[in-house]
Amino acid sequence: DIQMTQSPSSLSASVGDKITITCRASQSVRRYLSWYQQKPGKAPKLLIYAASSLQSGVPSRFSGSGSGTDFTLTISSLQPEDFATYYCQQSYSTPNTFGQGTKLEIK
Amino acid sequence: EVQLVESGGGLVQPGESLRLSCAASEFTISSYWMSWVRQAPGKGLEWVANINQDGSEKYYGDSVKGRFTISRDNAKNSLYLQMNSLRAEDTAVYYCARDLSDRSSDYWGQGTLVTVSS
Repeated sequence: DIQMTQSPSSLSASVGDKITITCRASQSVRRYLSWYQQKPGKAPKLLIYAASSLQSGVPSRFSGSGSGTDFTLTISSLQPEDFATYYCQQSYSTPNTFGQGTKLEIK
Repeated sequence: EVQLVESGGGLVQPGESLRLSCAASEFTISSYWMSWVRQAPGKGLEWVANINQDGSEKYYGDSVKGRFTISRDNAKNSLYLQMNSLRAEDTAVYYCARDLSDRSSDYWGQGTLVTVSS
């Protein structure tokens, strides 16, 4: 199975900050990498698919990059509604494993 | 608006079975791969299983292989998860999701809670 490792596990930041979350795969997943945002008590929401494609309706302050084993999610200017937990997922091979999550908190 | 509604969760004892359902509306599931993902209380997301458009391909996570069965009824526009030999560690909110062509999941249900406890 492919292991997905996110860093950091938690992050404190302020409104307006630019932040980056990293996701590393234990082997190449090509560009089969997606990012999700989850708020407490809610279902995950797809932000980025195919490593860098912005899902319809997602603000342009979210962006993704990378290929192979190393990926990043960047939020260019944090808004109050962005404080949540973020997960990466590989869909290159089953099981389609998730990273452990990154909790983004308000500083 | 695309909607997925899970049902069938509840409290069961270890070793018992449960069948989850996911009813889709405003789209036809026969055109999509579909997935189940779960989340234990206070924990991260865990991929459980997925199924292709006609049900001929099914894949499972290691922790549920041999105990869970994913299925679909395209005529009823519904997805299912049959869960047998349930364990305490299967306690989680179970989400169904619609998959894009790259197997990322663009629409999710609200989830149904399964609690396995004696």
